[in-house]
Amino acid sequence: QSVLTQPPSASGTPGQRVTISCSGSSSNIGSNAVNWYQQLPGTAPKLLIYSSNQRSSGVPDRFSGSKSGTSASLAISGLQSEDEADYYCAAWDDSLNGVFGGGTKLTVL
Amino acid sequence: QVQLQESGPGLLKPSETLSLTCTVSGGSISNYFWSWIRQPAGKGLEWIGRISTSGSTNYNPSLKSRVTMSVDTSKNHFSLQLNSVTAADTAVYYCARGTLGGDPWGQGTLVTVSS
Repeated sequence: QSVLTQPPSASGTPGQRVTISCSGSSSNIGSNAVNWYQQLPGTAPKLLIYSSNQRSSGVPDRFSGSKSGTSASLAISGLQSEDEADYYCAAWDDSLNGVFGGGTKLTVL
Repeated sequence: QVQLQESGPGLLKPSETLSLTCTVSGGSISNYFWSWIRQPAGKGLEWIGRISTSGSTNYNPSLKSRVTMSVDTSKNHFSLQLNSVTAADTAVYYCARGTLGGDPWGQGTLVTVSS
């Protein structure tokens, strides 16, 4: 059971906009920034978004992050087939440990 | 650019100690937090802990009693020890720069615990 809650799956067609949610609590997302990661099959995770809404170097502007209260979201616009991957959110918790979401498998139909 | 490489035994027996090292190349290890994260096959990511280059650590509460992290700035590497391993510790172990695993990550190393 992950501390941060993500939907297990999401899907969209090429060109569509999809969003992935990440729900936490006042001790993690509510008071700290959120990171988002993309993990392609068989590879290490790659940082997409840090500080809740800052794109990591080289990440297309099709990817965007936002945070409100104890929830965060990752939006992908202009969906492409190469976006098919697992996506994870993470945040620091005030109890002095890091917490991850369970991951969302994005399928491009 | 900075690259990370995990190294250590890939096969352990139950009750043994897992020892991994992450070597940082292409840049200095100093002035950053460094983290360990693991992923059992087919499952999600689990944060193990972080260490600063001054040696300050924070660990996942569920692993805290078994985990020790250390850093050697002269060798530009940091290490993970996990005691009394069981089959539940079988996973790909990643090292990464940053508290939560920022950028970059190592490629990961599979550690299997089996008798």
